[in-house]
Amino acid sequence: ETGVTQSPTHLIKTRGQQVTLRCSSQSGHNTVSWYQQALGQGPQFIFQYYREEENGRGNFPPRFSGLQFPNYSSELNVNALELDDSALYLCASSSSGGHNYGYTFGSGTRLTVV
Amino acid sequence: AQSVTQLGSHVSVSEGALVLLRCNYSSSVPPYLFWYVQYPNQGLQLLLKYTSAATLVKGINGFEAEFKKSETSFHLTKPSAHMSDAAEYFCAVSGMEYGNKLVFGAGTILRVKS
Repeated sequence: ETGVTQSPTHLIKTRGQQVTLRCSSQSGHNTVSWYQQALGQGPQFIFQYYREEENGRGNFPPRFSGLQFPNYSSELNVNALELDDSALYLCASSSSGGHNYGYTFGSGTRLTVV
Repeated sequence: AQSVTQLGSHVSVSEGALVLLRCNYSSSVPPYLFWYVQYPNQGLQLLLKYTSAATLVKGINGFEAEFKKSETSFHLTKPSAHMSDAAEYFCAVSGMEYGNKLVFGAGTILRVKS
């Protein structure tokens, strides 16, 4: 089975720009979550999608938005980038909510905002 | 309120020595509990999970953890450390009380000395 794949692996953006990060979920998983991991910190929950609907959101502003597609892949969009958005962005997929099955994480996208 | 507390941001052990990484959670009902490992510049890999079955959970790479409800703890142990165990370890909780998302501790960096 294929795991969770994220693209790109690294990118550099300028403050004020917009960015789209992509995630392909593990085969058979219908739930995708996104996490932000700042340097030296634990991952922070951004939001979760289940069957193309957002079903949970963390304490992030509306300029963080997402989509889930019929094949359960997902995008994370961040508008008006700020320097503090520099972080590792992790995508995780799971089956039906994941809390009792566990989450499979991708290797992440390292975003640097300059 | 802090949901997950990992005691010790850095732990150093000698190769062959016992590894003990501490995790305490705050929850009114037993949550689902997870330990993840993160190697430099990589995503998170699931080591083990507690989902209300056996309180002693065995994971990959010789790690295990014991759920102790009376102490609200889920400490991670390994009898004999190997150089390849050097990484950052995250304890996480999930469940209905957490909105079906993973809530992570701040992480513990494990150093293994030769």
